[in-house]
Amino acid sequence: DQQVKQNSPSLSVQEGRISILNCDYTNSMFDYFLWYKKYPAEGPTFLISISSIKDKNEDGRFTVFLNKSAKHLSLHIVPSQPGDSAVYFCAATGNSGGSNYKLTFGKGTLLTVNP
Amino acid sequence: NAGVTQTPKFQVLKTGQSMTLQCAQDMNHNSMYWYRQDPGMGLRLIYYSASEGTTDKGEVPNGYNVSRLNKREFSLRLESAAPSQTSVYFCASSEQGYQPQHFGDGTRLSIL
Repeated sequence: DQQVKQNSPSLSVQEGRISILNCDYTNSMFDYFLWYKKYPAEGPTFLISISSIKDKNEDGRFTVFLNKSAKHLSLHIVPSQPGDSAVYFCAATGNSGGSNYKLTFGKGTLLTVNP
Repeated sequence: NAGVTQTPKFQVLKTGQSMTLQCAQDMNHNSMYWYRQDPGMGLRLIYYSASEGTTDKGEVPNGYNVSRLNKREFSLRLESAAPSQTSVYFCASSEQGYQPQHFGDGTRLSIL
């Protein structure tokens, strides 16, 4: 049972336009969400996160929106640049007791930004 | 800054051979993790260590063992490698609590 879902395997946008990557989750215990970016032959790199007490978090060109009632989050990249071309993973966690802050990852979305 | 270092970067094994993947972090993090990434499957947690001296199973632990050697090092062992364990393995570390995990660049493992 997939608890974090990224339903779009790929997305292609033009340079300068907005990229919107979507993520849905099913586990109501999740209360902290992260986005990672991954280039080929490298490890994932943390991009931005959001706590469930917020509905928006912004860091430069990257903004994450959280809709708790819909169990949906999205990552907006404005403006998109060719260097943003990578696989983007959505991840979620919740404190299930003790020190368990395990991340559950989606399958990823390949973003291609065309010059 | 090295961050999270994984060795080796590439390895080819024959079915039934054993192998230990090494991971070390220099960020003084308490928690460490092992993931595998397969095509179309995202990252799946194999084992994790919330703090030095503790280890727990993740989503896909079968066929693997781990050792938290000290605060810096967390190794993953395949006792009898199987073709289904062909994958890219990532190690990560983090502070406890709601802190991002930092990943190494992976070990690409092929089992023939």
